[in-house]
Amino acid sequence: DVKVTQSSRYLVKRTGEKVFLECVQDMDHENMFWYRQDPGLGLRLIYFSYDVKMKEKGDIPEGYSVSREKKERFSLILESASTNQTSMYLCASSLLGGAKETQYFGPGTRLLVL
Amino acid sequence: DQQVKQNSPSLSVQEGRISILNCDYTNSMFDYFLWYKKYPAEGPTFLISISSIKDKNEDGRFTVFLNKSAKHLSLHIVPSQPGDSAVYFCAASTYGNKLVFGAGTILRVKS
Repeated sequence: DVKVTQSSRYLVKRTGEKVFLECVQDMDHENMFWYRQDPGLGLRLIYFSYDVKMKEKGDIPEGYSVSREKKERFSLILESASTNQTSMYLCASSLLGGAKETQYFGPGTRLLVL
Repeated sequence: DQQVKQNSPSLSVQEGRISILNCDYTNSMFDYFLWYKKYPAEGPTFLISISSIKDKNEDGRFTVFLNKSAKHLSLHIVPSQPGDSAVYFCAASTYGNKLVFGAGTILRVKS
């Protein structure tokens, strides 16, 4: 079974703090994704990566950056957290590129920025 | 501007009856559609998909119907079971590109 793990289930941070969200997958998948889920808006893609050290902007990249130094790990960075970044953050991975590849999701990190 | 819309935030169905979840889209370039299911405290899991060249795809109790002229797809669950209670997300993509998700519909199956 594919397993995608996220470093924290719940996180509380202060405005202006630098925040790291970590995601690890154990199935040697090429592609990894970061989404945020908000009520009434569904899942929105922040960034994705199709290879180590490669990244592509999603639909809402502003205020975020990412890092992929190893194939199994994909980090989302909030350089200076703001209250409008309070959300549920979901990491996903897929074996290959393209929407027809099933994406496997982690359990999510609920981030509260005060 | 949401390209994929799930206009019903929630749906309540009796166990054993049919559940019908609906999804509308605006981008005629979408060529692949998926449904994901999400339980509380878990990530979404893939449920079923359909290519734009088809109008129906079936997998056990789950069937997805696509009406391209109406830009509408629906997920039918027959018979509904209490374990089907979850949030269902519709998603779409163009030419294998990234997914665009709807807002989700909460399904409650009452026993």
